[in-house]
Amino acid sequence: GESVGLHLPTLSVQEGDNSIINCAYSNSASDYFIWYKQESGKGPQFIIDIRSNMDKRQGQRVTVLLNKTVKHLSLQIAATQPGDSAVYFCAEIYQKVTFGTGTKLQVIP
Amino acid sequence: DTGVSQNPRHKITKRGQNVTFRCDPISEHNRLYWYRQTLGQGPEFLTYFQNEAQLEKSRLLSDRFSAERPKGSFSTLEIQRTEQGDSAMYLCASSSGTDNSPLHFGNGTRLTVT
Repeated sequence: GESVGLHLPTLSVQEGDNSIINCAYSNSASDYFIWYKQESGKGPQFIIDIRSNMDKRQGQRVTVLLNKTVKHLSLQIAATQPGDSAVYFCAEIYQKVTFGTGTKLQVIP
Repeated sequence: DTGVSQNPRHKITKRGQNVTFRCDPISEHNRLYWYRQTLGQGPEFLTYFQNEAQLEKSRLLSDRFSAERPKGSFSTLEIQRTEQGDSAMYLCASSSGTDNSPLHFGNGTRLTVT
């Protein structure tokens, strides 16, 4: 219900530290995964994606790791900045896009 | 700005009224999606179009909801006889439609039903 959804997992990190956000996905047939960042009042913004034939992909300050054995996805943000504060969603794609609940990242200046 | 555009950004309506939202996708994208998002949750799939054809509808999409994409470009989502439970953010996204192409979202329409 609505009250359960308000209790987002929250990760608090010091500015400059690295952040790791985790996600467990459900469908072993999912073959494409995306991390989105959502700031308050805005739509989800694409960060990085990874296909199931890869286990790691790097972008600018971000790295996504995929472990298909345990159906786990993680997003690593290097040198976290105040502008990284947002809610992060992983999405798995198999015929359609399914989003996880999200993790709120709070960056402490 | 060539991103996904949604209008209006906010809509407040009284229970029982009808509302319509518009989405303009990225121009070269042939797939268009509607999602609903409530506070603290990830977006929930409602429906999607491949060009003008509506290919899938979620069970969340009750018969009070209807979506159209008449010319394969912009889309509208109409909610008839709104209920308080319809209060949410309605997100539109588009993609190129090729396999494993990411969805690009607009900033949504926040609906409040009083």
